[in-house]
Amino acid sequence: EVQLVQSGAEVKKPGESLKISCKGSGYSFTSYWIGWVRQMPGKGLEWMGIIYPGDSDTRYSPSFQGQVTISADKSISTAYLQWSSLKASDTAMYYCARQGDSGYVDYWGQGTLVTVSS
Amino acid sequence: QSALTQPRSVSGSPGQSVTISCTGTSSDVGGYNYVSWYQQHPGKAPKLMIYDVSKRPSGVPDRFSGSKSGNTASLTISGLQAEDEADYYCSSYAGSYTVVFGGGTKLTVL
Repeated sequence: EVQLVQSGAEVKKPGESLKISCKGSGYSFTSYWIGWVRQMPGKGLEWMGIIYPGDSDTRYSPSFQGQVTISADKSISTAYLQWSSLKASDTAMYYCARQGDSGYVDYWGQGTLVTVSS
Repeated sequence: QSALTQPRSVSGSPGQSVTISCTGTSSDVGGYNYVSWYQQHPGKAPKLMIYDVSKRPSGVPDRFSGSKSGNTASLTISGLQAEDEADYYCSSYAGSYTVVFGGGTKLTVL
């Protein structure tokens, strides 16, 4: 059974750094793109970017390029989403997602709620 | 990369059919046959309902169907049921493995 299990909810202050994780199991982790999707409170889904763990090829949405870093450790089948300096506007639910070559997401993580507040 | 355009809300009575549109550009929806649709219930992760314009994953009822014409894709739900009430999002491949989502449509079953 394919599963994406994300790390738990985080409460941070503006300016702090953060790295959340997504562990894949039940499939060949290095053979599929893993992406991140943001959902701000009461808002829609926003595609942030993806990584191919097999060779670490990474693509970003122009809206998120330079704002976050996506990485992966294929030895432990885990993808990461990282911020160096959080803002209040980063408060959102973040989903990791397994993405097929034609862009569809067939498996989703359970979501990680990130709250940034002073 | 701008978000795809969806109606904010649609509604229908049980047993009826509803169609949700998703309009993009020739750089996304119109340029590839790679549109997908997701259903999201409150507090839950999205669920894939349609991929590659009109393909249904295993387990998705055939009441859900997808189509595309030019820069506009559509999701049709026939035989509406109460459990279909949810938010629906389209997405499209936009080249170089990137994806763009629509703004979402709230479906109300009257």
